[in-house]
Amino acid sequence: GQNIDQPTEMTATEGAIVQINCTYQTSGFNGLFWYQQHAGEAPTFLSYNVLDGLEEKGRFSSFLSRSKGYSYLLLKELQMKDSASYLCAGYDNYGQNFVFGPGTRLSVLP
Amino acid sequence: GAVVSQHPSRVICKSGTSVKIECRSLDFQATTMFWYRQFPKQSLMLMATSNEGSKATYEQGVEKDKFLINHASLTLSTLTVTSAHPEDSSFYICSARDGRTNYGYTFGSGTRLTVV
Repeated sequence: GQNIDQPTEMTATEGAIVQINCTYQTSGFNGLFWYQQHAGEAPTFLSYNVLDGLEEKGRFSSFLSRSKGYSYLLLKELQMKDSASYLCAGYDNYGQNFVFGPGTRLSVLP
Repeated sequence: GAVVSQHPSRVICKSGTSVKIECRSLDFQATTMFWYRQFPKQSLMLMATSNEGSKATYEQGVEKDKFLINHASLTLSTLTVTSAHPEDSSFYICSARDGRTNYGYTFGSGTRLTVV
């Protein structure tokens, strides 16, 4: 199966940079995903990493190290609207299931 | 991009009744759809994998007789919560993968179920 771990909560200040870490153990790695979820809404896709390295997309970047089973989501120039849960996710059972980590609730303070 | 429509968005029902939730892929065919449940301040927990034309695969601890899943076509999967109880109150979300992209799964908008 897949074990995915993330910090439960983080707090950061508007305009700052925050890094949300994710560690995973998987049976059959097939890419790591990050989603953003606002309270009461469905998750929305942020990024997908299948190769090692950093993928940059505007204010959000995602990093992957397959050998370490480690990923992080980097959010720059934080805005109040970035307050949400950030979910690390990936495939389990050699691509049969798509499972989520526990999520990190980020609070952006003025 | 891929769109998944989920209906209803909110439903309130009495204990003992059944509720059906629909999940449709609007612009792509989905041989596999997933159903998740999310309790407040918790992550999404996979309940079952819905396969078109065959029986669903349920995660450990999920009662298949209580959460009936039907995936009768390549664009529609339904989840029926039978004999609902207050502890079934939760946010239910479906997702499907558009095989044309590598972007994981597209999610429906979710259904907020309240059992009174």
